[in-house]
Amino acid sequence: GDSVTQMEGPVTLSEEAFLTINCTYTATGYPSLFWYVQYPGEGLQLLLKATKADDKGSNKGFEATYRKETTSFHLEKGSVQVSDSAVYFCALTGATNKLIFGTGTLLAVQP
Amino acid sequence: DTAVSQTPKYLVTQMGNDKSIKCEQNLGHDTMYWYKQDSKKFLKIMFSYNNKELIINETVPNRFSPKSPDKAHLNLHINSLELGDSAVYFCASSQDLGSGKRYNEQFFGPGTRLTVL
Repeated sequence: GDSVTQMEGPVTLSEEAFLTINCTYTATGYPSLFWYVQYPGEGLQLLLKATKADDKGSNKGFEATYRKETTSFHLEKGSVQVSDSAVYFCALTGATNKLIFGTGTLLAVQP
Repeated sequence: DTAVSQTPKYLVTQMGNDKSIKCEQNLGHDTMYWYKQDSKKFLKIMFSYNNKELIINETVPNRFSPKSPDKAHLNLHINSLELGDSAVYFCASSQDLGSGKRYNEQFFGPGTRLTVL
């Protein structure tokens, strides 16, 4: 079945460092891909999305490109802030709009 | 205005009890979902309802029974609670997948932290 694999955390960075969180997927057909963010004590928020190959999703300085050839959707940000500390989930949907999540990656940004 | 709301936010109860979690959305969406997040933050879908009809039912024990009185509400009733039911439960909603649409953004509630003692 469909699945998402993302790098295990925690990822600990200093403020203004470059961030990459790797995500790869297995799916039949052409899934839509997402990054969700969960701030401490809160629900999930959609961070960015891409619905077809080579699409780039971007929001709040974060970017991810839908790479069909490598089945990847890595999350990047050029300069992280303390306020970016959260758990990041890579996810996909297939035909039924059912979200399948990766295991989540905890990002801790230190001042 | 809260788009997707859940009550209660925290629920602490004894093993064997029956409890319910309520979810309401004011976005006019047709589809609602329940997800379970375990202690390791792993998220997995449990159910999905579209216009009050069950469309996704993952391998969830029969002790869990979703109920949708109308398309703005999807409640989760849990019988005979077990220690392993302790988790955070998230409700979400989205519009219908219309013709040619490949996904619809899901909006999540704040979660209900269930602790079974």
